[in-house]
Amino acid sequence: GAGVSQSPSNKVTEKGKDVELRCDPISGHTALYWYRQSLGQGLEFLIYFQGNSAPDKSGLPSDRFSAERTGGSVSTLTIQRTQQEDSAVYLCASSSPDSRGETQYFGPGTRLLVL
Amino acid sequence: SQKIEQNSEALNIQEGKTATLTCNYTNYSPAYLQWYRQDPGRGPVFLLLIRENEKEKRKERLKVTFDTTLKQSLFHITASQPADSATYLCALDMDYGNNRLAFGKGNQVVVIP
Repeated sequence: GAGVSQSPSNKVTEKGKDVELRCDPISGHTALYWYRQSLGQGLEFLIYFQGNSAPDKSGLPSDRFSAERTGGSVSTLTIQRTQQEDSAVYLCASSSPDSRGETQYFGPGTRLLVL
Repeated sequence: SQKIEQNSEALNIQEGKTATLTCNYTNYSPAYLQWYRQDPGRGPVFLLLIRENEKEKRKERLKVTFDTTLKQSLFHITASQPADSATYLCALDMDYGNNRLAFGKGNQVVVIP
């Protein structure tokens, strides 16, 4: 079966531009997470979607970051007016209610470089 | 918030030996603790989950222990193989029972043939 997929795999952009990162979770997974991994740093939680509930946005570092999840499936993370410190790997994960939502399945990530 | 510490130095180990990694955390005791494996250029892959009321969990050549008094988990790879070379991440629920995870920075293991 297909795992979590993310696109693009790599993105190079200029400072000040907006970027959109996409995540396709595993079919049937009700929870979806976005994390950021900077060089030499651990994964940093950004946002969490659970079913039809309001998303938990407590990890978003600034109001330039936003995310949405359409139809309970695909999610898009948008970064507006990108800054060089936004350069990182953005990882998406999903989890199934069958595992109490605890085990997370990660995609390969999108490597973002802001010049 | 939870602070998680893993050894920043890579662990170099001879093939066939047991690799042991440590994960220490501060603040509250989590409902569960997880270990993930991450290879270069890839997303983390789930390995094991151990709950607060469990002392030890095993899966094939992997063993995890959980000491809530010491606020520590140990991760063991027995009979290590070069294919075990990777970075291993410790993760805990950010808030008790909440599925948002806080991750350590990871500990790299290099198994020397």
